[in-house]
Amino acid sequence: GESVGLHLPTLSVQEGDNSIINCAYSNSASDYFIWYKQESGKGPQFIIDIRSNMDKRQGQRVTVLLNKTVKHLSLQIAATQPGDSAVYFCAERDPRAAGNKLTFGGGTRVLVKP
Amino acid sequence: GAGVSQSPRYKVAKRGQDVALRCDPISGHVSLFWYQQALGQGPEFLTYFQNEAQLDKSGLPSDRFFAERPEGSVSTLKIQRTQQEDSAVYLCASSFGQGANTEAFFGQGTRLTVV
Repeated sequence: GESVGLHLPTLSVQEGDNSIINCAYSNSASDYFIWYKQESGKGPQFIIDIRSNMDKRQGQRVTVLLNKTVKHLSLQIAATQPGDSAVYFCAERDPRAAGNKLTFGGGTRVLVKP
Repeated sequence: GAGVSQSPRYKVAKRGQDVALRCDPISGHVSLFWYQQALGQGPEFLTYFQNEAQLDKSGLPSDRFFAERPEGSVSTLKIQRTQQEDSAVYLCASSFGQGANTEAFFGQGTRLTVV
């Protein structure tokens, strides 16, 4: 299948370890942030979101942290599994934009080693 | 269908040829977005529809790109006189509403290769 992210930064992690993926954003007006997972040949898949009035949100095996002071977002994956291998994108939304369109970051490839 | 469906899955076009890419959003979804994803990069916004109205087309790279959603459901992205720099994956996404916290669901994309 096609490959997404040939030139993306790569995080190699051992199966069972925790992963941390970082993202910097630039728009201080953004009020909503989303992490997406994209496997090769597929469209982005929603993982977890967070509003700007929060600094932490937890899901199943995933946690998103938001630091508005330095405009930084991170995604933590606990006990990383082979199925977590993919490219991960952060996205931000400017509430002033029509339809709340998303602006995506550059992405990070995660490779899980068995 | 259960999700956003895009066709064709792959398209090879000769430079100068016109192409049409189709998106079937999730039934009942008001909002529809088109994104362009170059190899190794994140998706970039092209255009947005609320029902049949195209409310934002600020991301369309040139007047060779045209999108429509005449009945507020299926959408078509047309690229005229394709050029090599148009080669990318074109993603369609839909969401139920247009306000905050309305999750956008993406299709698998159409990979366009211009030769």
